[in-house]
Amino acid sequence: DGGITQSPKYLFRKEGQNVTLSCEQNLNHDAMYWYRQDPGQGLRLIYYSQIVNDFQKGDIAEGYSVSREKKESFPLTVTSAQKNPTAFYLCASSIATGGHQPQHFGDGTRLSIL
Amino acid sequence: AQKITQTQPGMFVQEKEAVTLDCTYDTSDQSYGLFWYKQPSSGEMIFLIYQGSYDEQNATEGRYSLNFQKARKSANLVISASQLGDSAMYFCAMSPEKKLTFGTGTQLKVEL
Repeated sequence: DGGITQSPKYLFRKEGQNVTLSCEQNLNHDAMYWYRQDPGQGLRLIYYSQIVNDFQKGDIAEGYSVSREKKESFPLTVTSAQKNPTAFYLCASSIATGGHQPQHFGDGTRLSIL
Repeated sequence: AQKITQTQPGMFVQEKEAVTLDCTYDTSDQSYGLFWYKQPSSGEMIFLIYQGSYDEQNATEGRYSLNFQKARKSANLVISASQLGDSAMYFCAMSPEKKLTFGTGTQLKVEL
């Protein structure tokens, strides 16, 4: 089945540690996105990528980094510079960027601080 | 800048009844898409329905329909014949360009 796979489902970070969240899609979508969701709030965009080897900052990129070396993969690193990383992280993809393409989401990763 | 407003933090509906979830938006763009997503307690975001700004007819997908009133900048979701499995958080979102802007969501609870 085609879809988006995020791993791990739960992740714990120690102070000063970088952690990487995995996102893989087999939908052959060009565009991929990372969102952060805090309790009781909507999603906020961290980074997005329209094509391989290209990505742009979203609304809350500080303390995060990404790479897009393969079309299928868009990992997110939460660096030690992100002082409040506890949140639910969702990865999404769409056929292309643009206002009329629905985004399809993975099941998410819950990140907590130890 | 785009903004989505969902004014109903929580809604209750009886099983088999219809329910309307409100969404208003603000944008200066002429071409944009409007989307509704469902988020069950497990966390995944499920795409429900899409409406393009130039579409003259309201979008429908099974039991979901989108009541699009462009002049009022509203894009309300109507769920007909509610089922217990419809209990979830519902998000309205819009996208004039490359990214989605989400509202804060409405928690829907379907009761027997």
